[in-house]
Amino acid sequence: KQEVTQIPAALSVPEGENLVLNCSFTDSAIYNLQWFRQDPGKGLTSLLLIQSSQREQTSGRLNASLDKSSGRSTLYIAASQPGDSATYLCAVRQETSGSRLTFGEGTQLTVNP
Amino acid sequence: ETGVTQSPTHLIKTRGQQVTLRCSSQSGHNTVSWYQQALGQGPQFIFQYYREEENGRGNFPPRFSGLQFPNYSSELNVNALELDDSALYLCASSLSGGGGNTIYFGEGSWLTVV
Repeated sequence: KQEVTQIPAALSVPEGENLVLNCSFTDSAIYNLQWFRQDPGKGLTSLLLIQSSQREQTSGRLNASLDKSSGRSTLYIAASQPGDSATYLCAVRQETSGSRLTFGEGTQLTVNP
Repeated sequence: ETGVTQSPTHLIKTRGQQVTLRCSSQSGHNTVSWYQQALGQGPQFIFQYYREEENGRGNFPPRFSGLQFPNYSSELNVNALELDDSALYLCASSLSGGGGNTIYFGEGSWLTVV
């Protein structure tokens, strides 16, 4: 059974800092990994999707890496801004589970002005 | 804007009642999944529909049921509501069969059971 863990559970940083969020998964037979952002009381916004054959993906100030063999992914946020404050969730899609995603419990990020 | 719309956005039900939540998937997406997210936790997979057939289910009892319609919109039905069913219910749509298709989520329906 796939299990996804995110560390830290919460993180508070001053504006302008670069930061790294961590995600680990127990079963390396994944199809892809997706990072989401969730604002309080809202749905999920897809940030980055990394295929199992890829090592990293970039979008603006965000960079996500994937090490499938070790079961780890990181989300790097450069020059953080107060608007980045949200909960960040990673989710893996198994090779044999269709579109089913297994989520971690998220990292709650606060960027202080 | 993901193109996935859910209704209602908020609702309050009494224990023992039944509820129906609705989802309109992104245009062209033939796969819809439902997730339950309790406060402070990650979403948990309930089930998935592809071309009107359920083709995957998480660890949820039979009182959680669903439908997918020919236009790929979907419903989640929960019978005999319990207090623990209070959560955010998320609908997600995608195009099945593709390699790395992104999965898109709606804004969710907040259900409170009292």
